Amino acid sequence: QAQLQESGPGLVKPSETLSLTCTVSGGTISSYYWTWIRQSPGKGLEWIGYIYFSGSTNYNPSLKSRVTISVDTSKNQFFLRLSSLTAADTAMYYCARDRGEYYDSRGDAFDTWGPGTMVTVSS
Amino acid sequence: SSELTQDPAVSVALGQTVSITCQGDSLRSYYASWYQQKPGQAPVLVIYGNDNRPSGIPDRFSGSSSGNIASLTITGAQAADEADYYCNSRDSDGKHLKIFGGGTKLTVL
Repeated sequence: QAQLQESGPGLVKPSETLSLTCTVSGGTISSYYWTWIRQSPGKGLEWIGYIYFSGSTNYNPSLKSRVTISVDTSKNQFFLRLSSLTAADTAMYYCARDRGEYYDSRGDAFDTWGPGTMVTVSS
Repeated sequence: SSELTQDPAVSVALGQTVSITCQGDSLRSYYASWYQQKPGQAPVLVIYGNDNRPSGIPDRFSGSSSGNIASLTITGAQAADEADYYCNSRDSDGKHLKIFGGGTKLTVL
């Protein structure tokens, strides 16, 4: 049973770049769509984007200009970089596994989640 | 881009049946999944592929979809089911983007 764990700074200054790591244990990263999702305080879930183990990526259009997701299969880790931070980026950031297939949405499911890491953007 | 619309809040009496709905044009083309989130916890998958229940999820949870509306039904709601529920599906533009509904807060009375 795969487990995910986010890590990164809890406090970041405005205009800086956020870097988060998601470590996958108990399973291989060499399959599935590895996803970042965030949740602002008191708000709903927002899909940020994913990376496929092969390296292909897809991003939320509202964040696309500021987001980069990458993967290191040798370390079973994937990463989120979000630039030009503002207070609006303050949120709980989750990494999750999407076991769906590109051409068939029947299997789309974020079936494994990390516990989340809270990121506050403040000077 | 698409949107998925959910009622912000729904209530149900203990032991009764409740349905939470998710409406959006993309649901005509793509399957929905549902997530339960309790305070201070990460979301948990409860339904995928419109009506499939992962192992470990109680059978009082079921899902369905018709036209542009997907539904999550809890038959015999328990106090432990009080939570926020989110639907998820693909954006209708066919670019494999994912979208969440705004969430429904379920209160068990």
